[in-house]
Amino acid sequence: KAGVTQTPRYLIKTRGQQVTLSCSPISGHRSVSWYQQTPGQGLQFLFEYFSETQRNKGNFPGRFSGRQFSNSRSEMNVSTLELGDSALYLCASSLDARGGIGELFFGEGSRLTVL
Amino acid sequence: AQKVTQAQTEISVVEKEDVTLDCVYETRDTTYYLFWYKQPPSGELVFLIRRNSFDEQNEISGRYSWNFQKSTSSFNFTITASQVVDSAVYFCALRTNDMRFGAGTRLTVKP
Repeated sequence: KAGVTQTPRYLIKTRGQQVTLSCSPISGHRSVSWYQQTPGQGLQFLFEYFSETQRNKGNFPGRFSGRQFSNSRSEMNVSTLELGDSALYLCASSLDARGGIGELFFGEGSRLTVL
Repeated sequence: AQKVTQAQTEISVVEKEDVTLDCVYETRDTTYYLFWYKQPPSGELVFLIRRNSFDEQNEISGRYSWNFQKSTSSFNFTITASQVVDSAVYFCALRTNDMRFGAGTRLTVKP
């Protein structure tokens, strides 16, 4: 059974650019959530999607957005990149349908460097 | 407000020692879930255990054990007879409406 797949694994952007990260959940999982991990702030929740609907959103500016497609694949976008957006972005999928209480399966992450 | 505190930033032990990782949480919700995840150097978080707020039963899985005490809002994790392969960053997390992670504890097990 394939795990959570995130692409790209590594990318470098410059300030002001925008970036799109992709996440393919485990087959059959309908819940996808995104997290930002930095040395200073640790792991922070970005947003969560279930059946193409955003269910929860963390405390991030509007430059961070996401969506989920009918096949449960998800993308997140960061516009007008800032140096502080450099981070490991982790995607997780879950089988459960009730409030995301199930076990989260994480991908290996997309490491974004903003120069 | 939801909050998870892992006061131990780094712990270093010698192989075969027992080690306990502390986790204290805060929430006003009566229904919540607690998790422990392991993050090895590869970066991928690995699920270890989930507990709901109504189940205070402690659990043992091989060398791992967890102690959940609602009275002290703690969910501590003990590794018995630690091994070098246990070296990783361990995160405690609290799920209510969203998922809140603690800052993590870096465990180094030396041979």
